Amino acid sequence: EPEVTQTPSHQVTQMGQEVILRCVPISNHLYFYWYRQILGQKVEFLVSFYNNEISEKSEIFDDQFSVERPDGSNFTLKIRSTKLEDSAMYFCASRKGAGELFFGEGSRLTVL
Amino acid sequence: KQEVTQIPAALSVPEGENLVLNCSFTDSAIYNLQWFRQDPGKGLTSLLLIQSSQREQTSGRLNASLDKSSGRSTLYIAASQPGDSATYLCAVISSRLTFGEGTQLTVNP
Repeated sequence: EPEVTQTPSHQVTQMGQEVILRCVPISNHLYFYWYRQILGQKVEFLVSFYNNEISEKSEIFDDQFSVERPDGSNFTLKIRSTKLEDSAMYFCASRKGAGELFFGEGSRLTVL
Repeated sequence: KQEVTQIPAALSVPEGENLVLNCSFTDSAIYNLQWFRQDPGKGLTSLLLIQSSQREQTSGRLNASLDKSSGRSTLYIAASQPGDSATYLCAVISSRLTFGEGTQLTVNP
């Protein structure tokens, strides 16, 4: 069964460092998303991406964040200069059209 | 701004019991509503998707209903099992997908 895959599963970084989280969405999907979940809190929307551009972003997705689809398969989230409060589980998701949204297992980011 | 609320926040039941989880949302202009399950430290597993034109969906022991006009959805779990223990999340899909805070379910053997 096709699935969304994310790497790394866990990354530990120093405050101020750049981090890139990678996602491979399901191959025939067209809409891509990043969400995050701070420990013990709700899942929060970061950004949606369609047709090679950002379609919507939340207040959380400030200038420190960027997304890219560098080739036909990968979808990346970059955090330019990490802060302690960026520590969270980051989830990638994709869907084909107006249907079901599929999530990856998440990348846990720990900022020290 | 869409707000999604789930009640109760936590629920503990004995094995075999039927139970209902509730989800409410403030803006009825939605495309779909999706229920997910999340195990501790894990990702989100899709359980059921209800299109905005539908009133319910069933999968095995799970049944989800949607009443757009009143801004409510319920997830009914029949004959609960210890393996059903997890956090259940309701997510409303409009221009973005907005999650509730979840209901943490514990099914005791």
